Order: sequence, then structure tokens, then C-alpha cells
Amino acid sequence: DTGVSQDPRHKITKRGQNVTFRCDPISEHNRLYWYRQTLGQGPEFLTYFQNEAQLEKSRLLSDRFSAERPKGSFSTLEIQRTEQGDSAMYLCASSSLAGAGEQFFGPGTRLTVL
Amino acid sequence: QQQVKQSPQSLIVQKGGISIINCAYENTAFDYFPWYQQFPGKGPALLIAIRPDVSEKKEGRFTISFNKSAKQFSLHIMDSQPGDSATYFCAASKGSGTYKYIFGTGTRLKVLA
Repeated sequence: DTGVSQDPRHKITKRGQNVTFRCDPISEHNRLYWYRQTLGQGPEFLTYFQNEAQLEKSRLLSDRFSAERPKGSFSTLEIQRTEQGDSAMYLCASSSLAGAGEQFFGPGTRLTVL
Repeated sequence: QQQVKQSPQSLIVQKGGISIINCAYENTAFDYFPWYQQFPGKGPALLIAIRPDVSEKKEGRFTISFNKSAKQFSLHIMDSQPGDSATYFCAASKGSGTYKYIFGTGTRLKVLA
């Protein structure tokens, strides 16, 4: 399967703990996006990478959130000092620079903060 | 100006019927409008997408109708099947910059057998 993969699929943590999620995009895709989806809502944009450069961050991305994409391949999203409000599905998507805007989504990481 | 408004929130259709979901936007800089289908526990999957230079696009049982002057677009699912039961999201993105999506709030479709 050459689609977008995310790990872990589920994460349960206690409030105040740090968590890190990984996204492996489709191999030839230069663009990588992180979105957050809460129950009953559409995904909301968090941040965007073009190759290894993080070019945009949403206001939703507080200082407790950090994302990286070393060498322009996989990406990680870290949440420090988790809060119950961070409970959501975290989705990663990738697309190619030559694409018409189509983004391919991974299965997501479901975070539950107790 | 960044919002995409989607309706209805939920929809029940008989098998073989037509499902219609509507979206409206305000930002005229948007120029790519995809529809995504999402099953529980899965990531969204692209169904069909349209650009404003055409008023309609059809792929199999799925059709997007686009009204540029009204800033509205809709998804029509013909001959709806129980396997179509899922949540559908419209989205919009600008044709420059990051191409990030602004999603609607979703429509939960249930097709009765």
C-alpha cells in the first residue's frame, strides 16, 4: 500500500503528558498537511510543509504544538502538556506540487486525553 | 470569508434515490472545490472535485453542480446505495499558496436498504 500512513492509530494519554504522532506521506509528494478533526466536525487545518520547510501554521496551533518534517520525508506532530481539549483525530495529508490541489489523507491518529 | 457552509447536517435517502448535499462559500479566491467521503474511523477519501471554469462535473453516480455567481456548489449522488452511507465533506482551497483546505461541517448520509 503506497498511501499515506500514520502512527499510532490510537493514543490514550493523561493530561499533562507529551505525545508525538508520525505521518509518512506518499513518497513523491512534496506537500504535507496536518489537520485536526473533532467529533461531528470537518477537519481544520493546522500546518503545512513544502518539502522540509514549514510554510504556514494555523492560529489553532498553540505553542504546545510543534511539527517537523526533517529531510522533507516523514513528519511528526508533537503536543506538549496535553489538555482534554486536545482530544481529536489528527489527520495527515499529502499532495504533489504538480497536483491540481488533490490531497490524499491518511487514516488519522485518534488522541484521547484523560 | 474563510467559511464553507454545508447543509443538511444529516440526510436519509431510500435505496435508489438521489442524495443532494449543498455547500456555500464567500471567498472568491477559492478555485478548487473537492468533495470527500469519510467512513467511521477512516481518513477522508476524495470523491470528485471541480474548478469554477465548469458548471458541472460527473463521475459515475457522483455529480458536482457549481454556481459561480451564487458561490454555491452541490454534490448529487444518483441511485444511492447502502454502501454510500458515510459522512460527506465539501471543501474549498485557493489556487495559490499552500492550497490548504477549508472544510464544511459535514453531512451524515444514511441510505436505507
